[in-house]
Amino acid sequence: KAGVTQTPRYLIKTRGQQVTLSCSPISGHRSVSWYQQTPGQGLQFLFEYFSETQRNKGNFPGRFSGRQFSNSRSEMNVSTLELGDSALYLCASSPAGQDSYNEQFFGPGTRLTVL
Amino acid sequence: AQSVTQLDSHVSVSEGTPVLLRCNYSSSYSPSLFWYVQHPNKGLQLLLKYTSAATLVKGINGFEAEFKKSETSFHLTKPSAHMSDAAEYFCVVRGPSGSNYQLIWGAGTKLIIKP
Repeated sequence: KAGVTQTPRYLIKTRGQQVTLSCSPISGHRSVSWYQQTPGQGLQFLFEYFSETQRNKGNFPGRFSGRQFSNSRSEMNVSTLELGDSALYLCASSPAGQDSYNEQFFGPGTRLTVL
Repeated sequence: AQSVTQLDSHVSVSEGTPVLLRCNYSSSYSPSLFWYVQHPNKGLQLLLKYTSAATLVKGINGFEAEFKKSETSFHLTKPSAHMSDAAEYFCVVRGPSGSNYQLIWGAGTKLIIKP
């Protein structure tokens, strides 16, 4: 079974631009969660989608948004990029939502650099 | 509210000596706890999980953790460190967010193995 894939792996943008990151979960997984990882803040939860519905949301501004498609693939969008948005963005998939005991399977991440 | 504290940001041990990574949690109910590992330039991987069954949980690569309710701790141990154990380790607690649940991540502990 193929693992979680994220595209692109690396991205360089400038302040004020917007960016869209993509995540393809493991086949059959219906839950996709997004995280931001930075050296200073560690791993921070952005949001979780389950069957095309946002079930959980972390404490990020409205510039961060996401969606999930009927095939469980998910996209994350960041508008009006700021320097502080530079981070590794991780996607994780799971058979069920975060309210289960299921393990989350992580992708390799997208490294976003904002100049 | 749920929270998790990893007591050491860095732990350095010699190869062949025991490893202890400390994690304390705060939870208003019986929690589910996880340890994840992140090797350099690799994705996050589940090491082990506690879901209210046996208090001593065995994971992959010889790691284990003991759930101690009286001490609100879930420390990760390994009898003998190997060079390949050098990585960052995250303690995670599953907590409620409204009517759903959310994974709450510790800040991480970097494990350094000296030859």
